[in-house]
Amino acid sequence: DSGVTQTPKHLITATGQRVTLRCSPRSGDLSVYWYQQSLDQGLQFLIQYYNGEERAKGNILERFSAQQFPDLHSELNLSSLELGDSALYFCASSPHPETRGEKLFFGSGTQLSVL
Amino acid sequence: GESVGLHLPTLSVQEGDNSIINCAYSNSASDYFIWYKQESGKGPQFIIDIRSNMDKRQGQRVTVLLNKTVKHLSLQIAATQPGDSAVYFCAENEDDKIIFGKGTRLHILP
Repeated sequence: DSGVTQTPKHLITATGQRVTLRCSPRSGDLSVYWYQQSLDQGLQFLIQYYNGEERAKGNILERFSAQQFPDLHSELNLSSLELGDSALYFCASSPHPETRGEKLFFGSGTQLSVL
Repeated sequence: GESVGLHLPTLSVQEGDNSIINCAYSNSASDYFIWYKQESGKGPQFIIDIRSNMDKRQGQRVTVLLNKTVKHLSLQIAATQPGDSAVYFCAENEDDKIIFGKGTRLHILP
């Protein structure tokens, strides 16, 4: 158990809908990262937050947004869902990113199926 | 596009043999590299990391080699066991973003 909690584990929805994925980082970790993993694909970096502030942005669509709350949990909002958004979404946390290069602790992921 | 990638999508190894998983990266400014293991139905799990001021680092049954000249990274697993069956990802720190390659599936033959 990595200590990172993601909910829900599975989510089935329809095209055009909006969903929210939730992540609780390890106790004490200030950084949260979101990744998307499609079938036979690697992990695509979406966005990173540190202590409530956006720190780095990757290939995140404009239909997607995220935030990190004062209690350090994070939410990833996916709107106007398309079939191609079906994927496994991972959250990871790390203590602090000041030291360049730090290992990430991943949750078990949320499997999103858009029908 | 991605700056890291794996040479082979699938690697089959006899149980007890050593496994070598390779990775190429393109960003010569990258100074931190990590290997992750992802078992079926689970999130990636940290295996070992290496900074660019080193060319080799050893862990328990695993060794990471870094060749900055040719921008190549490898993961060696000694005495491969059934529990090593997983997808292995290399990743690099690029502008404070941890960028992953596509992964290599390690298949253990009995």
